[in-house]
Amino acid sequence: DTGVSQDPRHKITKRGQNVTFRCDPISEHNRLYWYRQTLGQGPEFLTYFQNEAQLEKSRLLSDRFSAERPKGSFSTLEIQRTEQGDSAMYLCASSWTAGHYNEQYFGPGTRLTVT
Amino acid sequence: EDKVVQSPLSLVVHEGDTVTLNCSYEVTNFRSLLWYKQEKKAPTFLFMLTSSGIEKKSGRLSSILDKKELFSILNITATQTGDSAVYLCAGRPNTGNQFYFGTGTSLTVIP
Repeated sequence: DTGVSQDPRHKITKRGQNVTFRCDPISEHNRLYWYRQTLGQGPEFLTYFQNEAQLEKSRLLSDRFSAERPKGSFSTLEIQRTEQGDSAMYLCASSWTAGHYNEQYFGPGTRLTVT
Repeated sequence: EDKVVQSPLSLVVHEGDTVTLNCSYEVTNFRSLLWYKQEKKAPTFLFMLTSSGIEKKSGRLSSILDKKELFSILNITATQTGDSAVYLCAGRPNTGNQFYFGTGTSLTVIP
């Protein structure tokens, strides 16, 4: 399967713990996005990388959230000191800057439950 | 503030019906609008629209963009139970790469 993959698919953690998620984009894609989606809502943009550079971060992204893409391939999203409000589906998407237009392809997501 | 609003929030139809889903957007320096289908997993891409008045079509699904009135519609004809899903639209500005998603329309097709 050459699509976007994410690991783990599910994570249950206790409040206050740190969690880290991984995303492997489609191999030829140079752009990678992280979104958060809660029940009944559309995906909410968190951050975006072009190659290894983090070019945009949402104003909603607290300092407990950090993302990296060290070699311009896979990316990690870490949440420190998790809170119950962090419970959501975390989606990763990738795209390729082919000319003017580029659609995003999503991974299956990591569902986080903070107890 | 950039935003995308979808209507209706939910819809229940019978197999064979035709449905129209609406998406209105306010996106600064708008570039494109995208439609996704989301079943119990990640969204899958349907259409990208950049030019006003040009219909995109894929099988029973079609979509069109009106850049003057700032909306798009997604039509599904001869609906099937497999069309049951949440349909998301997203607006993309010309600057930056933040996609603004609506809350989606939940479509249920009953046999």
